Amino acid sequence: KAGVTQTPRYLIKTRGQQVTLSCSPISGHRSVSWYQQTPGQGLQFLFEYFSETQRNKGNFPGRFSGRQFSNSRSEMNVSTLELGDSALYLCASSPSTGWNTEAFFGQGTRLTVV
Amino acid sequence: AQSVTQLGSHVSVSEGALVLLRCNYSSSVPPYLFWYVQYPNQGLQLLLKYTTGATLVKGINGFEAEFKKSETSFHLTKPSAHMSDAAEYFCAVSDHNNDMRFGAGTRLTVKP
Repeated sequence: KAGVTQTPRYLIKTRGQQVTLSCSPISGHRSVSWYQQTPGQGLQFLFEYFSETQRNKGNFPGRFSGRQFSNSRSEMNVSTLELGDSALYLCASSPSTGWNTEAFFGQGTRLTVV
Repeated sequence: AQSVTQLGSHVSVSEGALVLLRCNYSSSVPPYLFWYVQYPNQGLQLLLKYTTGATLVKGINGFEAEFKKSETSFHLTKPSAHMSDAAEYFCAVSDHNNDMRFGAGTRLTVKP
């Protein structure tokens, strides 16, 4: 069974640009969550989608958005990039939504903003 | 809202020594607790989780953790460290909102 796939693995963007990251969950998983990981802030929750609906949202500005498609694949978009958006963005999928559900993580997309 | 505190951002042990990584949580409802490991340039991999039932939880790679409600702790241990255990370890808590919160992480170094 294929794991969680995130594309691209590495990305370099310029300040002010926008970026779209993609996440393909494990087959059959309907919940997808996104996290931002930085050395200073650690792992921070961005948002969670389940059956194409955003269920939870972390404390991030509106420049960060996401969506989920009917096949459970998810994308996150960051507009008007800032230097501080440089981070490893991790996607995690779960079979369903619920507080005891294990999350399976992808390898992440490392975004560098210059 | 729930939260997690990991005591010690860096822990160094000798190969064969006991590994103890500390995690304390705060939650207004009975929590579900997790330990994840992250190797360089990789995502997170689940080591073990506590949901309900037995408070001593065994995970992969010889790790285990004990849920102590009275101490609001969920410390991770391994009797004998291997070089391959060098990684970053994250404790996480989840409640009924399914909003998983992670600790800041503890980087484990294993000396030969």
